[in-house]
Amino acid sequence: DSGVTQTPKHLITATGQRVTLRCSPRSGDLSVYWYQQSLDQGLQFLIQYYNGEERAKGNILERFSAQQFPDLHSELNLSSLELGDSALYFCASSVGGDPYEQYFGPGTRLTVT
Amino acid sequence: LAKTTQPISMDSYEGQEVNITCSHNNIATNDYITWYQQFPSQGPRFIIQGYKTKVTNEVASLFIPADRKSSTLSLPRVSLSDTAVYYCLVGDMDGNNRKLIWGLGTSLAVNP
Repeated sequence: DSGVTQTPKHLITATGQRVTLRCSPRSGDLSVYWYQQSLDQGLQFLIQYYNGEERAKGNILERFSAQQFPDLHSELNLSSLELGDSALYFCASSVGGDPYEQYFGPGTRLTVT
Repeated sequence: LAKTTQPISMDSYEGQEVNITCSHNNIATNDYITWYQQFPSQGPRFIIQGYKTKVTNEVASLFIPADRKSSTLSLPRVSLSDTAVYYCLVGDMDGNNRKLIWGLGTSLAVNP
């Protein structure tokens, strides 16, 4: 158990809908990272927040947004969902702002039908 | 922009040493190289990180040449439980935006 929690574990929704994924980092970690993992594209870095501020940005679509709250938990919002958004979404956390030693949560499996 | 390249798959046998190489020609000057292990339906797990030369911990060694354009993860005496996907991670700067570049992973199969 990495200490990172993600909810929900599974999510099934229809195209065009909006969902919110939630992540709680390990106690004491200030950074949260979001990743998308699909079979054909591997692990894709989406975005990093450090102590409430955006720190690094990857290939995050405009339909997706994230934020980190004062209690350091984070949410990833996915809107106007498409079939291709079906994937495993991981959250990770690290102590500081550098991304070297990240601890990953169990993931949320999103299925868009 | 940095890109990492790893072999797609490797096969080994129990007790052997396995070396997985990742090439990262455009790694950012100040960035470290990190390796992760992932089992099916689980999040990646940190294995080791380094900047240059050699780093060793209780599970692996990491070799980084002086030019830092590649790195090699060495797993000594692998067992069946080391069957997993192994990723290298480097950082890069795209203008003022920092990006994290993950390899596509190397699927290691350890056979009895």
